[in-house]
Formats: sequence, C-alpha cells, structure tokens
Amino acid sequence: KAGVTQTPRYLIKTRGQQVTLSCSPISGHRSVSWYQQTPGQGLQFLFEYFSETQRNKGNFPGRFSGRQFSNSRSEMNVSTLELGDSALYLCASSQGLATSSYNEQFFGPGTRLTVL
Amino acid sequence: AQSVTQLGSHVSVSEGALVLLRCNYSSSVPPYLFWYVQYPNQGLQLLLKYTTGATLVKGINGFEAEFKKSETSFHLTKPSAHMSDAAEYFCAVISPSGGYNKLIFGAGTRLAVHP
Repeated sequence: KAGVTQTPRYLIKTRGQQVTLSCSPISGHRSVSWYQQTPGQGLQFLFEYFSETQRNKGNFPGRFSGRQFSNSRSEMNVSTLELGDSALYLCASSQGLATSSYNEQFFGPGTRLTVL
Repeated sequence: AQSVTQLGSHVSVSEGALVLLRCNYSSSVPPYLFWYVQYPNQGLQLLLKYTTGATLVKGINGFEAEFKKSETSFHLTKPSAHMSDAAEYFCAVISPSGGYNKLIFGAGTRLAVHP
C-alpha cells in the first residue's frame, strides 16, 4: 500500500504571495490532518478534514485554510505569506471512521516551505 | 489544556548504552500517549502508543515506554543504543475531549549516539 504523499516537497515563495500544498492520503483513509513544524513553535495542529468537512481546527489565523476532495485528497492554502510561515508542513492520514475512538495517523514526508 | 513536556532537548549516549527520553503530560482525563521518531528530511514514524490496557508498551526498533498515571509520565527507553537511533523523538498526547485526530506534541528531544 502506498504511503501518504505530499507535493511539492520543497517550495520557495516571497512575502505576500500565496501557496497551495497537496496531500494524498493512504488509499481508503478518509481523514487528513495538517501540522506545521517550526524550530520555534515545534509541531502544531492546523486542522483536520473528514469526508470533505473540516472536523477540527487548531489556533491559526484565517490565512491558513484547507479543503478536502471527494477522493480524500486534501489541500492547504496559506495566503499573504509571512516570513514566519516558513516551516515543514506535514499531513497525516487515518481511517477516521469514528469520532469516539483513536485512529492511527500515518504521516507524509512533508513540504518544506521557505518564505523570503 | 493539554500539554506535553519533554525534559532535555538534546540527549547524547554511547552506542550500546541505555536510552532514556523523558515525557510528562498534563491531562485532566487519561489521555492517549504516543512516541514518534523523525529522521532528517522525513515525516514522523510511530514508535509506540498507549491507549488502554497494559501500561508497559513495546514498540518498534526495541523501544518501550511505561505509562505511569501517578507520575503523569510516559518515558521512552531502549536498553542498548544503536547508531541508527540518532534522530529526533517526539512525545504526543491525544485528549478525547480535544478530538481523536488532534495530536499535541512535545518540543522534541534530539538523540545523538556516538561510538
């Protein structure tokens, strides 16, 4: 079974631009979660999508948004990029079948975004 | 709010020595607890998890961890370090009240293994 894939692996943008990152979950998984990893703030939860609906969200400004398609692939978008948005963005997929129990999450390799 | 504290941002051991990485959590209800490993330029790989049941949990690559509710701890150990264990390790928690797919991570501990 193929793992979680993220594209692109590396991105360089300038301040004020916007960026879209893509995540393809493991086949059969319906939940996709996004995390931001920075040296200063560590790993922080951005949001989770399940069946095309945002099911949970972290504490990030509205510049960070996401969506999920009917095939469970997910994209996240960051508008009006700031220098502090430079980070490794990780997505994780899980079956996400139930909201009342744990579903193991599998992480992709990440997209490294550099904002200049 | 949930939080995870990892004591020691850097740990250095000799090959063959005991590895001990410390993790304490704060939670008002019993959480689910995890250890992940991250190698350079890679994503996170699950080493082991505690959800319910036996408090001593065995994971991959010879690692194990013990959930101690009285100490709110979930320390990671390995009896004998190998050079390939050099990586960054993250302790994480899920609080059922916060959503089962929302992992709260510690700051990480970078493990160095020297010959």
